[in-house]
Amino acid sequence: QVTLRESGPALVKPTQTLTLTCTFSGFSMDTSGMCVSWIRQPPGKALEWLARVDWDDDKYYSTSLKTRLTISKDTSKNQVVLTMTNVDPVDTATYYCARCYYDSSGSRFHYWGQGTLVTVSS
Amino acid sequence: DIQMTQSPSSLSASVGDRVTITCRASQTISSFLNWYQQKPGKAPKLLIYAASTLQSGVPSRFSGSEYGTLFTLTISSLQPEDCATYYCQQSYSSLWTFGQGTKVEI
Repeated sequence: QVTLRESGPALVKPTQTLTLTCTFSGFSMDTSGMCVSWIRQPPGKALEWLARVDWDDDKYYSTSLKTRLTISKDTSKNQVVLTMTNVDPVDTATYYCARCYYDSSGSRFHYWGQGTLVTVSS
Repeated sequence: DIQMTQSPSSLSASVGDRVTITCRASQTISSFLNWYQQKPGKAPKLLIYAASTLQSGVPSRFSGSEYGTLFTLTISSLQPEDCATYYCQQSYSSLWTFGQGTKVEI
């Protein structure tokens, strides 16, 4: 059974670096075709895809945020970490991690964590 | 980046109505289009993938279609539990994007 759980600070100050950890079970990032993404959702607003790391360690970032994001995986710990530098109040959102898998039909988010609300405020 | 434009942004319909939501891609995305349902305070749930394939366990009143770069999600007979926000998402390019969402109210 696949589960994902996000963890990290609930409150960060402007200009600080935010570090979020996705701890998962039920699959391995060593499996060909596997990937994990981070997605966020500001209160009352739409979903925004942020970043993805693939099983082969390829990494992809949202164009608008790529200078501030770093995604990494630790296969031995079953974790994917997202760091976001220089946070601003507009980065206040619920942050989700989600598992994806590539096949002939493309890729989709079948499994999601419950999300973690991060507030950026002084 | 590929832009995904959903319409309408919100709609109100009655129980039993047929409801259609559209999602237009800014360029070709083949059939690499997914639909999600999100209820307040919950993570999104996958409904349809590859434009028209129903995810296991999803009621058959949900269906998806593709017309070039225009995609539709149809609920054939709206039920009270279908009150939610619906999002499309493309996985064609290496940088994925979501639509801005459509809120469905009864």
